[in-house]
Amino acid sequence: GAVVSQHPSRVICKSGTSVKIECRSLDFQATTMFWYRQFPKKSLMLMATSNEGSKATYEQGVEKDKFLINHASLTLSTLTVTSAHPEDSSFYICSATSGTPGATQYFGPGTRLLVL
Amino acid sequence: AQSVTQLGSHVSVSEGALVLLRCNYSSSVPPYLFWYVQYPNQGLQLLLKYTSAATLVKGINDFEAEFKKSETSFHLTKPSAHMSDAAEYFCAVSEGATNKLIFGTGTLLAVQP
Repeated sequence: GAVVSQHPSRVICKSGTSVKIECRSLDFQATTMFWYRQFPKKSLMLMATSNEGSKATYEQGVEKDKFLINHASLTLSTLTVTSAHPEDSSFYICSATSGTPGATQYFGPGTRLLVL
Repeated sequence: AQSVTQLGSHVSVSEGALVLLRCNYSSSVPPYLFWYVQYPNQGLQLLLKYTSAATLVKGINDFEAEFKKSETSFHLTKPSAHMSDAAEYFCAVSEGATNKLIFGTGTLLAVQP
């Protein structure tokens, strides 16, 4: 299957700082990327859908000014957690897809964020 | 609206025994259905995918799933469990043109020696 990478895999930051997470599709062009958040022992919660070259579509209840998403190219999307607080600590996972109906989403390995 | 129900948040089997993880879906249109596996502190790996080409779908690591429209089910099976199969398994349905995935709550599979 296709390969999706995320960087960093783990990050610790101080409260009030911003953190950027990168999601790259390594061997295919990802028209659409998704960002998820996963709490311990829970399923994935979709945060936003990111289409290349356009603004991200956020799910209800997700603050777009706090979770900035950029999808500037067909192989890279970034999620920036702005002014991070301890409650933002979580496992963030991205996925990438070609965008055709029913296309498989390929997931990155996730980024563990800890805000102190 | 589409939804997925996974019966059994925890399933425990003995090594070598049959694995059966249940998934029922709700969809007003022919669905795309997926099974993913997640190992601790990792992303999700695709096990298999139903796209209407065949009702019995074979995936990686000897997993397979059968699409049963009359039962709105897409249960995952494996004839003989290995210790390495211990992980969290997620069933998901794709939401039409947006390709959003609606996930079930997951089933944690434990394999006993």
